[in-house]
Amino acid sequence: GQSLEQPSEVTAVEGAIVQINCTYQTSGFYGLSWYQQHDGGAPTFLSYNGLDGLEETGRFSSFLSRSDSYGYLLLQELQMKDSASYFCAAIQGGKLIFGQGTELSVKP
Amino acid sequence: DAGVIQSPRHEVTEMGQEVTLRCKPISGHDYLFWYRQTMMRGLELLIYFNNNVPIDDSGMPEDRFSAKMPNASFSTLKIQPSEPRDSAVYFCASSGGQGAIEQFFGPGTRLTVL
Repeated sequence: GQSLEQPSEVTAVEGAIVQINCTYQTSGFYGLSWYQQHDGGAPTFLSYNGLDGLEETGRFSSFLSRSDSYGYLLLQELQMKDSASYFCAAIQGGKLIFGQGTELSVKP
Repeated sequence: DAGVIQSPRHEVTEMGQEVTLRCKPISGHDYLFWYRQTMMRGLELLIYFNNNVPIDDSGMPEDRFSAKMPNASFSTLKIQPSEPRDSAVYFCASSGGQGAIEQFFGPGTRLTVL
């Protein structure tokens, strides 16, 4: 089968760094994407890893290790507006398989 | 660009009624995806099209669901007859040449079947 595992919720304080882990088990794995979704909103694309290593986009970074079937999203200098759900998604063929999402709460 | 447009934004209907959800992808995008999101099942891919052709409909739950893409700027997802368990938020997303890598989601249609 295919599955992605990520923590259901994470809490952190403003200004801190938080890491959201994702392990996957999918056939035909092509790469790993990350999406952000605020309450009542649509998912928005954050980052993509096609190769092993770190990709940095401003305060957000994403990492992939194919040998470990593992990736993570790193959020630095947390802001209140970062409170949202974060989804890892495996690319398989031409489609995305989403994890269940991690709800991040940023406290003052 | 206006982004992906979906209509209606909210739909309340009674069990047994036909429901049609509409989507206009971003101009120039050749991939279109339909997703369903619920608390229990998360975000599930129902079907996706490439150049208006259905490529994978393995996520369509049953024969009550059908999707069409008559041209590059319009797609519909139809549920007939609708059931209470179909209540969910339905998202349409589109992407360009990179296919699944970066998808742009519409605002979603919140469907409630009574």
